[in-house]
Amino acid sequence: DIQMTQSPSTLSASVGDRVTITCRASQSISSWLAWYRQEPGEAPKLLIYQASTLKSGVPSRFSGSGYGTEFTLTISSLQPEDFATYFCQQYNSYSYTFGQGTKLQI
Amino acid sequence: EVQLLESGGGMVQPGGSLRLSCSGSGFSFSNYAMSWVRQAPGMGLEWVSGISNRGGNTIYADSVKGRFTISRDNSENTLFLHMSSLRADDTAVYYCAKEEVATLEASWFDLWGQGTLVTVSS
Repeated sequence: DIQMTQSPSTLSASVGDRVTITCRASQSISSWLAWYRQEPGEAPKLLIYQASTLKSGVPSRFSGSGYGTEFTLTISSLQPEDFATYFCQQYNSYSYTFGQGTKLQI
Repeated sequence: EVQLLESGGGMVQPGGSLRLSCSGSGFSFSNYAMSWVRQAPGMGLEWVSGISNRGGNTIYADSVKGRFTISRDNSENTLFLHMSSLRADDTAVYYCAKEEVATLEASWFDLWGQGTLVTVSS
């Protein structure tokens, strides 16, 4: 299986900050990467797919980039509702695998 | 409203069985592949199983192969996961998730249910 490694595991920031989360794949996955946000007690919600395509309705302060084995999720100006846990997921091949998550906290 | 709603979770003894259901609404259920993804308490996400839109193709994670069976009833817009020989490490919230394609090919999950908790304990 392809291993996905996210960093950092925890990120402390403030409202208005710009933050970046990194996701690395153990082998090339082209652009087959998605990002999700999960709030406590809720299901994950899709933010970005194909490494950089924003899901309709997701605020433009979110952006994704990368190709191959290294990917980033950037939030340009943190809002209070952005403090949550973020996961990357590769869908290059089954078994689909997820990063371990990055908890974004105040 | 476009949504997925899981049911069937609960507490079961090791070695027992359980069947989860996931009802889809607000979209053409039979047009999309579906998956089950689980999350152990305080842990990350683990993909469990997937099924093509008409149910003809299925795939499983090694951790559940031979113990879990995924199926669907498109006439009822419902996805199932039959779990048997359950172990303590199967304890998790189980989510059903909709893929963006019909067949079992590369796709993200664009819609998730709220999850149902399965606890395996004596």
